[in-house]
Order: sequence, then structure tokens, then C-alpha cells
Amino acid sequence: DAKTTQPPSMDCAEGRAANLPCNHSTISGNEYVYWYRQIHSQGPQYIIHGLKNNETNEMASLIITEDRKSSTLILPHATLRDTAVYYCIVRGRNAGNMLTFGGGTRLMVKP
Amino acid sequence: ETGVTQSPTHLIKTRGQQVTLRCSSQSGHNTVSWYQQALGQGPQFIFQYYREEENGRGNFPPRFSGLQFPNYSSELNVNALELDDSALYLCASSLDGGPLGNTIYFGEGSWLTVV
Repeated sequence: DAKTTQPPSMDCAEGRAANLPCNHSTISGNEYVYWYRQIHSQGPQYIIHGLKNNETNEMASLIITEDRKSSTLILPHATLRDTAVYYCIVRGRNAGNMLTFGGGTRLMVKP
Repeated sequence: ETGVTQSPTHLIKTRGQQVTLRCSSQSGHNTVSWYQQALGQGPQFIFQYYREEENGRGNFPPRFSGLQFPNYSSELNVNALELDDSALYLCASSLDGGPLGNTIYFGEGSWLTVV
């Protein structure tokens, strides 16, 4: 599976957009980019995933660059409840349901 | 709510004992995987079950074993518990064996403390 690189921590003001970057320069053509988040002591929560095109759902938007070497997760109006560790994961062809979690980005939303 | 339920939520065991953790997958999901998350770390893949067969395993010793039942629920068994086995154990389920693009949902986990 391609390795991902994320900043270890970020701050965001409540009500503002949170933009979380992820680098995955070795991604292969048929590998998807997944985002999960984990609020303290809870199980990881699925946010969104995509292959090439930008994706949007009720939680967030995922912007994938044209060369697919990086992506950005956007939380349009961050709230205090969005404070969590956000994981960017590239899911490999033969990985089955194995997700390789890196260190993630600890997002702190501040009032 | 992901529909993935795990039990028990917390338990304490003594070193050398055995433990069984249980997971009910989301309705319709036939693939279950287990993860171990030590304090301050990201989840680590233990293994995956698809149609009652183990078909993927991470870097965990054989004393970590599992089962999947015809209703797709699953158990994780850990023998000869060690202090380092203290962790949050997560179950995740999805539909099919892992076609790219499907969604994997996690339960809230079982906290295991080994003393």
C-alpha cells in the first residue's frame, strides 16, 4: 500500500473550514484514498473516500489532485465536536479489508 | 451508529489467561476484520475473515486467533495474555471480500487491560 504523510497536528477556529492535507505520492492507479477520524476512546468513523474525482457527502469534501499524489479533506464549518485524529489511508489492490493507519493529524477545533 | 457491535466494552484479565472478544457485523456484511490499537497508536490490522475463512493476517503471533460464524458474527481469541496485549480491540465489517471502493465500518471497540 502507498504510504501517506500527514501533519501531526492542526488547529482550526470553530465555524471556519478545516483543510487537512495528505500526501500519497506513491499511490497506484487503482488505489482509493480513504479518510477516517477517531474521537478519543471511540472506534474510527468513516468520513469519505475517492479514487480520482472530488467527492462530497454530508460530512466533508475530498479534493484529490489531478496527479493523485495528494489530497485534502475539507470540513466546511468545523465545530468543537470535530476535534479528533484524522487518518488518511490509501487502500491497496490486494489489501482486502486491511487498512494501514499512520499517525494521522490531530485536529483541534477552538472556540 | 455503524451497526457494528462489540462485547464486552471493557474487561480486565491476568497475564497468562485467555480472552474472547465478540463482534456482530453490520447487517448484510460478510467480511469482518480485527484491529489492535495500543494507547497513543493507530489501529493495527490483526486479521480478516470472509465467508468463515481467514483470508488475510497482519504481523500478529498465532496466539491471536479468530472465528467467523454463518451469521457473519466473529470472535477474536487471544491466548497466553501478555501485558503488551493491553489495548483497544476494534472490529470492522464490510460487504464482500474487499473490492476496492467499498466502505469499512468500525465498532466502538473492546478495552482489554492485562494485569
